[in-house]
Amino acid sequence: EAGVAQSPRYKIIEKRQSVAFWCNPISGHATLYWYQQILGQGPKLLIQFQNNGVVDDSQLPKDRFSAERLKGVDSTLKIQPAKLEDSAVYLCASSVRVRTEAFFGQGTRLTVV
Amino acid sequence: SQQGEEDPQALSIQEGENATMNCSYKTSINNLQWYRQNSGRGLVHLILIRSNEREKHSGRLRVTLDTSKKSSSLLITASRAADTASYFCATERDSNYQLIWGAGTKLIIKP
Repeated sequence: EAGVAQSPRYKIIEKRQSVAFWCNPISGHATLYWYQQILGQGPKLLIQFQNNGVVDDSQLPKDRFSAERLKGVDSTLKIQPAKLEDSAVYLCASSVRVRTEAFFGQGTRLTVV
Repeated sequence: SQQGEEDPQALSIQEGENATMNCSYKTSINNLQWYRQNSGRGLVHLILIRSNEREKHSGRLRVTLDTSKKSSSLLITASRAADTASYFCATERDSNYQLIWGAGTKLIIKP
């Protein structure tokens, strides 16, 4: 079974630039999560989708971050404009449905300089 | 906001010894999950325990849940060098579907 795919693996951008991350969840998984993980901390939920609807985006900085899940499958997370404090690993995860285990991708390490 | 808090923040033991990590949380939960993260394999799910369960086993892992104390523990028996990693607990709230994470316990197994 193919796992959660994320791209790119690494990205370096200057502050005020924009960046986009892509995630392809495990086939058949209805729930998709985007997390931000800063070094030395646990993952912080940014947004959670159930199929193509948003379940929770209470911690998403909506003035600069946006996310969508097209047709309930792939998802993209965008940051525009980026700030230095956005430097982190962005993790995508999926699960069959809520209340079940989540499977994570390898993440995208973003460095904002 | 962080829901779970792991304790200790760091733990260093000899190979072959048992390792115990604890997690405390604040609100009513539907389930609690433990994950492991190392540089090689990223975040990997270990065990999910539901609020109506008290104990679960998976190989060398044993998880307990005490909902009256809002706490859980993860026991790794007969530790191996490959167990060196950060361990996180994540709680899924009863009132919504948020999966909220603690800051993790960094476990080092010395050969």
